[in-house]
Amino acid sequence: KAGVTQTPRYLIKTRGQQVTLSCSPISGHRSVSWYQQTPGQGLQFLFEYFSETQRNKGNFPGRFSGRQFSNSRSEMNVSTLELGDSALYLCASSSTPDRAGELFFGEGSRLTVL
Amino acid sequence: AQSVTQLDSQVPVFEEAPVELRCNYSSSVSVYLFWYVQYPNQGLQLLLKYLSGSTLVKGINGFEAEFNKSQTSFHLRKPSVHISDTAEYFCAVTAPEYGNKLVFGAGTILRVKS
Repeated sequence: KAGVTQTPRYLIKTRGQQVTLSCSPISGHRSVSWYQQTPGQGLQFLFEYFSETQRNKGNFPGRFSGRQFSNSRSEMNVSTLELGDSALYLCASSSTPDRAGELFFGEGSRLTVL
Repeated sequence: AQSVTQLDSQVPVFEEAPVELRCNYSSSVSVYLFWYVQYPNQGLQLLLKYLSGSTLVKGINGFEAEFNKSQTSFHLRKPSVHISDTAEYFCAVTAPEYGNKLVFGAGTILRVKS
């Protein structure tokens, strides 16, 4: 069974630009969560989607948004990029939200903002 | 609110020695507790989880952890480590009502030396 796939793996943007990251969950998994990982703040929850609905949202500004499609694939978008948005963005899937915390992570998308 | 404190940022240990990685949590509600491992340039992998029941939980790769409610701790242990256990380990907490909104500790880097 294929794991969680994130694209692109690496990208470089400049301040003020916007970026879209994609995540394909494990086949059959309907819940997708996003986390940001930085050396300074560690791992922080961004949002969780299930059946195309946002179930939970972390404490991030409105520049961070996401969505989930009917095939469970998910995208997250960051607009008006700032230097502090440089991070590893991790997507994780689970079969349902009831499997709380039992997440399967992708390898991440490493974003560098110049 | 929930929080997790990992008491050691780095733990050096010789191969075949035992190791304990410490984790304390704070929560006003019942918790689910997890340990995840992250190898260099990879996503996170679930090592073990405590949802309910027996306070001693066994995970993959010979790791185990004990949930201690009175001390609000969930320390990770392995009786004999291998070089391949070198990685960063994250303790995480959530609650049934929070779904996959995990709160992670800052991580502990385990360095196994030969």
